[in-house]
Amino acid sequence: GNSVTQMEGPVTLSEEAFLTINCTYTATGYPSLFWYVQYPGEGLQLLLKATKADDKGSNKGFEATYRKETTSFHLEKGSVQVSDSAVYFCALSRGGATNKLIFGTGTLLAVQP
Amino acid sequence: NAGVMQNPRHLVRRRGQEARLRCSPMKGHSHVYWYRQLPEEGLKFMVYLQKENIIDESGMPKERFSAEFPKEGPSILRIQQVVRGDSAAYFCASSPPGQGKVGTEAFFGQGTRLTVV
Repeated sequence: GNSVTQMEGPVTLSEEAFLTINCTYTATGYPSLFWYVQYPGEGLQLLLKATKADDKGSNKGFEATYRKETTSFHLEKGSVQVSDSAVYFCALSRGGATNKLIFGTGTLLAVQP
Repeated sequence: NAGVMQNPRHLVRRRGQEARLRCSPMKGHSHVYWYRQLPEEGLKFMVYLQKENIIDESGMPKERFSAEFPKEGPSILRIQQVVRGDSAAYFCASSPPGQGKVGTEAFFGQGTRLTVV
């Protein structure tokens, strides 16, 4: 079946540190891949997405590249800020009739000043 | 230009009561999804609806849970005879027509946090 595995948190970093959150997936065919972010007490917001192999999604300094050979979609940011503290969810979608999202368990990022 | 609106934000119910969660999709969106987030877990798909139709309810528990999206008004997720294990955050998401297109974004509401005491 389709599934998403992401690194467990919490991840604690100092401000301006480099961030990597690993995400790998299992899916048949060619899913779309997403990173969503959830700030405390809020709903999920789309951070970035990629719809085909080798695509790079980017937004607000975050990047992730769709790697079909390693079935991965790792999230990176060169210099994190305190305001980036949130839970990050990797997800996939197969499109089609339902287009539902399948989420990883989320990774809590805490950035300290 | 309101986003996806869910209410209430917080709901407390005693065991055995009914819980009704409401979701108004973004303007122009005709597809609604419900997801449940249990403590310390990711979001799990529950049900996908279009106006007056349930398209996919493969993630819904077989008993006590139901969902609707009437022609007029919000989508409703209804949980009858709630138990402590139903305590979770329930999120609604909507997407525009043509949502089957690969990569279509879903827009999430802020969620309803249900606590069963």
